[in-house]
Amino acid sequence: DTEVTQTPKHLVMGMTNKKSLKCEQHMGHRAMYWYKQKAKKPPELMFVYSYEKLSINESVPSRFSPECPNSSLLNLHLHALQPEDSALYLCASSQENYEQYFGPGTRLTVT
Amino acid sequence: RKEVEQDPGPFNVPEGATVAFNCTYSNSASQSFFWYRQDCRKEPKLLMSVYSSGNEDGRFTAQLNRASQYISLLIRDSKLSDSATYLCVPLTGRRALTFGSGTRLQVQP
Repeated sequence: DTEVTQTPKHLVMGMTNKKSLKCEQHMGHRAMYWYKQKAKKPPELMFVYSYEKLSINESVPSRFSPECPNSSLLNLHLHALQPEDSALYLCASSQENYEQYFGPGTRLTVT
Repeated sequence: RKEVEQDPGPFNVPEGATVAFNCTYSNSASQSFFWYRQDCRKEPKLLMSVYSSGNEDGRFTAQLNRASQYISLLIRDSKLSDSATYLCVPLTGRRALTFGSGTRLQVQP
């Protein structure tokens, strides 16, 4: 089973809202990732968690706040987003230095 | 030089054709390579992993040339369902994937 699940599938939020994206995997992977993908562009790495600790933050604005409550769950907390933050947010997981498996993504629209 | 370079295409080929994509990468320390396919408005799906000189899986063959720092993907007997964007992805030492911009393939009946 190589399934990564993400909720919600779609999210529309205003610039003053607070919302959270959720990601879950049950493959025993110890690394989890958040990517952002704009239309017609490749995914861009935002954050990497390894063994539940944040190991990479690609200079992401503080209005995006990741959280890894346990080895199976990854959250992305959103606050005071801008319209240009509208994108597909992808979660992925992997064993160390091996292939990453992606969830279906959350399509976010900021109004 | 970009970390990963791919011809964006589109490659328009008839069903049954053989098509090849190349990808060049700049980080000579990259050890592992992956090809993902991505359908429109969907997530990337792993197509093939390459840890040594190459890999073959059915109609798909990946070849790695470390000396020239490129990796290729060959698709034989193209199907309509192969129409997608193919992303070349080296794994850097810090466990992060660096995606190429992708090559779009359109297989026509």
